[in-house]
Amino acid sequence: DGGITQSPKYLFRKEGQNVTLSCEQNLNHDAMYWYRQDPGQGLRLIYYSQIVNDFQKGDIAEGYSVSREKKESFPLTVTSAQKNPTAFYLCASRPLGIYGYTFGSGTRLTVV
Amino acid sequence: KQEVTQIPAALSVPEGENLVLNCSFTDSAIYNLQWFRQDPGKGLTSLLLIQSSQREQTSGRLNASLDKSSGRSTLYIAASQPGDSATYLCAVLAGANSKLTFGKGITLSVRP
Repeated sequence: DGGITQSPKYLFRKEGQNVTLSCEQNLNHDAMYWYRQDPGQGLRLIYYSQIVNDFQKGDIAEGYSVSREKKESFPLTVTSAQKNPTAFYLCASRPLGIYGYTFGSGTRLTVV
Repeated sequence: KQEVTQIPAALSVPEGENLVLNCSFTDSAIYNLQWFRQDPGKGLTSLLLIQSSQREQTSGRLNASLDKSSGRSTLYIAASQPGDSATYLCAVLAGANSKLTFGKGITLSVRP
């Protein structure tokens, strides 16, 4: 079955550490996205990529970095510069054009 | 700047009731509107996608309508069941970068 796989499901980070969240899709979608979800705030766009080796900042990119070396993969690194990283992170993808989004099952990141 | 509003934030209904969830958006120049369901701690599941040229879409007990000129969409759930309890989010796709903007969601509880 085609879909988006996010791993790990739960991730714990110590203060000052960088951590990387994985997102892989086998839908042959061109565009991929990272969102952050906090209680009462809705989903906010962190980064997106519409083509391999190219990506753009979203609304809250500070403290995060991404890469898009393969069409299928769009990993997100939460750096130590992100002051409040505890949140639920969602990856999404879609074909280019006016098509709908498909989301992964999410990664819950907690700072300990 | 596109803003999406979903009111009320929470709704509790008895089983069997037909219900309507509302979504409004400020800029009518959208490509499409998508309704999602989110269960606690899970990712987003796409329910219905309405293109800007369409008026409604149906899937089983769900019917979504779109009135682009007035900036409104409704999700109609027929004969609600306890299994429908979840958070329902609407999102609009718009802009040169095809950005998806979310509402904060409506948390629905269907009482047996």
